[in-house]
Amino acid sequence: AQSVSQHNHHVILSEAASLELGCNYSYGGTVNLFWYVQYPGQHLQLLLKYFSGDPLVKGIKGFEAEFIKSKFSFNLRKPSVQWSDTAEYFCAVRDYTNAGKSTFGDGTTLTVKP
Amino acid sequence: GAGVSQTPSNKVTEKGKYVELRCDPISGHTALYWYRQSLGQGPEFLIYFQGTGAADDSGLPNDRFFAVRPEGSVSTLKIQRTERGDSAVYLCASSPLVGGMHNEQFFGPGTRLTVL
Repeated sequence: AQSVSQHNHHVILSEAASLELGCNYSYGGTVNLFWYVQYPGQHLQLLLKYFSGDPLVKGIKGFEAEFIKSKFSFNLRKPSVQWSDTAEYFCAVRDYTNAGKSTFGDGTTLTVKP
Repeated sequence: GAGVSQTPSNKVTEKGKYVELRCDPISGHTALYWYRQSLGQGPEFLIYFQGTGAADDSGLPNDRFFAVRPEGSVSTLKIQRTERGDSAVYLCASSPLVGGMHNEQFFGPGTRLTVL
């Protein structure tokens, strides 16, 4: 069975600080990887995804993530956060052979202080 | 265009009652998914449909939970004999199949179910 671990439950940063949120998964096969964001009062939306190819993927709003297969990791990064990045961030993985089912981490709440 | 919609947005019921939660996916999306999200946790997979059929229902916790999608569009999640532990936000998502492959999922706002 797949599992996803997000190590940071709550991260507090000041504006312009750099961000890195950790995500590790356990599954030995081929996977698709996702980061979703949920802004206060809004529903989940996709930030970025990795299916294949270049392991460094760029998403919306200046976010990027790097897939390191040997470490089973897909960490999310942003060089300079803004107050508007305050939200909850979820990492998700799905098995390439059972692509209807995604497994989510428990989320990281990011608070950016102005 | 319209996104995924879910009704009701909130549902309060008493233990032992039956509830139905509705999901309207994005028009033309073949795949539809149901998740459950408890407080402080990420979404937990329940079931997904390709067209009218349930392709994977391995996440349904027990036989009190059932979902249908009779015409390949709207889906209803049905919970019988509700228990307090069923209280959660129930999320629906839909996605197009591109070349037979699942693509990104578009989530609805969820239905918050409270069982008293």
